[in-house]
Order: sequence, then C-alpha cells, then structure tokens
Amino acid sequence: DTEVTQTPKHLVMGMTNKKSLKCEQHMGHRAMYWYKQKAKKPPELMFVYSYEKLSINESVPSRFSPECPNSSLLNLHLHALQPEDSALYLCASSQEPVSVSGNTIYFGEGSWLTVV
Amino acid sequence: GQNIDQPTEMTATEGAIVQINCTYQTSGFNGLFWYQQHAGEAPTFLSYNVLDGLEEKGRFSSFLSRSKGYSYLLLKELQMKDSASYLCAVRDRPSNAGNMLTFGGGTRLMVKP
Repeated sequence: DTEVTQTPKHLVMGMTNKKSLKCEQHMGHRAMYWYKQKAKKPPELMFVYSYEKLSINESVPSRFSPECPNSSLLNLHLHALQPEDSALYLCASSQEPVSVSGNTIYFGEGSWLTVV
Repeated sequence: GQNIDQPTEMTATEGAIVQINCTYQTSGFNGLFWYQQHAGEAPTFLSYNVLDGLEEKGRFSSFLSRSKGYSYLLLKELQMKDSASYLCAVRDRPSNAGNMLTFGGGTRLMVKP
C-alpha cells in the first residue's frame, strides 16, 4: 500500500467558514507534508511534520493551522481564508524526515479548495 | 537558494522519443526526482537519481550529471496517455527537519497522434 489518502476531494467555503482538510497514510511514514499548488505552477511547501512534531513552517499565514493527531494522520484547519487561497492542497509523506538514499516523497490526490 | 529550470512546454508525436531537460543551481544536493502530473491530479513518482548516470525504468529513463547540474527524463515509445506535466525536483541536503523538495516549474508535454 503506497497510498496517501486525502479528504475531501473538493471543498467550497466562504471567507468566514471554518473547515478542515484531512490526510491519512498507513505506510509507517514518519514525515508528512502539506503543499499548495496553484494552476500551472509547481507545488510549494507549506508545512513539514517530523515524528508528529511541526518542524518546518514556510511562513504560512495563521489562517492555515496544521495538526498531526498521530503518526498516520495530518490535518489542515482553515479559517478566514481569502479567495486567493483557492488552490490544490497536496498532502505527502516519506518514510523518514532525514534525507536518505531513495527516500521518496509520496503525494495524495489532493483537495481542491475554492474560497468564495 | 534553489534555482531549477526546465522548458515550459514540449510537443511530440505518438511512438516517438522525447527528452525533457532540467538544470539546477542549488545550495545543497541530495538527489533529484522526476514526477509526472496529469491535469487535476497529484504528482506521481517516476524516478530518482543521486549518483551520476542513467536510471532506466521501462519506457522511462532519467540521467544525472552532478558536476553539470543537469538531468534529463527520456520517454520512449510515447503514448497519448503520456501527455502530462513533468516536474523536476531537487532534494536539499540531509537535515533533521524534513525531506525537502524544491520543484522546477514543470514541463507540459503534449503527445499528438
């Protein structure tokens, strides 16, 4: 099983709403990531969790709040978003946070977020 | 900082061979990945190079020259389903913080009959 599962696949929310994106992997991976991807652009790193602790926050606005309840789950809580936050949000995981040979990052299918 | 360059778009014919180049200038290097991404879908892993040379996987091959900061992805016997974006990504030096990837802008490949 090399799957990273994300829900929901599509989300439309208003600027005053509070919603969450969820990500799950059962590969025993100890590092999990959130990436944001705008149309026709490469993915951009938002957050890295290493052994369930937040290790990297790429200067992401506080209206995005990550949470890692356990080693298999990663959430992204959304509040007071702006229309420009509309994008594909990709969750990813890798076996180890430390770069070792062949340590591939696997991506989920993504959650399409539209902020209206 | 990281600078990763690849062509924006390429067009090729079904059954042909196409080579997608990627050049990088990075402060650290611990491997180069190629991902395929169909429109509206997540990137899927294609190949990984950390040592110089060619890695072959069926119809796909990837080459790396660390001294030149250069890689290419070679696709043989092109099929219509190969129409997608191809992302070159470089991994930072090892760190305890995370397995960081920096992506190039992606190359949109269109395969025509």
